[in-house]
Amino acid sequence: EAGVAQSPRYKIIEKRQSVAFWCNPISGHATLYWYQQILGQGPKLLIQFQNNGVVDDSQLPKDRFSAERLKGVDSTLKIQPAKLEDSAVYLCASSLRGGYNEQFFGPGTRLTVL
Amino acid sequence: RKEVEQDPGPFNVPEGATVAFNCTYSNSASQSFFWYRQDCRKEPKLLMSVYSSGNEDGRFTAQLNRASQYISLLIRDSKLSDSATYLCVVNKGGGNMLTFGGGTRLMVKP
Repeated sequence: EAGVAQSPRYKIIEKRQSVAFWCNPISGHATLYWYQQILGQGPKLLIQFQNNGVVDDSQLPKDRFSAERLKGVDSTLKIQPAKLEDSAVYLCASSLRGGYNEQFFGPGTRLTVL
Repeated sequence: RKEVEQDPGPFNVPEGATVAFNCTYSNSASQSFFWYRQDCRKEPKLLMSVYSSGNEDGRFTAQLNRASQYISLLIRDSKLSDSATYLCVVNKGGGNMLTFGGGTRLMVKP
């Protein structure tokens, strides 16, 4: 069974530039999550989708971050404009339904903002 | 107070040792608890769920203490391959969003 796919794996940008990350969850998984993991910390949930609807985006900095999950499958996370403190690994995860189910993580996108 | 707190470590132990980690959580309404393992520069992976009655999977034992609001992970007969960061995960206030602790780093030495 294919796992969660993410691209790109690495991205280096200058501050104030824009960047977008893509995630393809495991087939059949209704719930998709985006996490931000800063070095030395645990993952922090940014947004959770159930199919193509948003369940929770309370920790998403909406002035610069946006995410969508068109057709309830793939998802994109965008940062515009990026700040130095956005340097982190952005992890996408999926699960069959919700938080009571095991979450399967993709390899992440490592973002460096200079 | 953080929602989920862990001692960041590192815990440095010799092969064959027994090591235990604790994790405390702040929301008494939390219902689901997990331990995830994260290797260096890799994604987190589920190690085990934590049930009210406690559960064991080979060398790993997880316990839940609702009264004191903490969960624990015990690793017996540590292997070099157990070296990783162990993330305590709690569902958020009875809903279905998960909150991760900062992780406890374990280093098993020969």
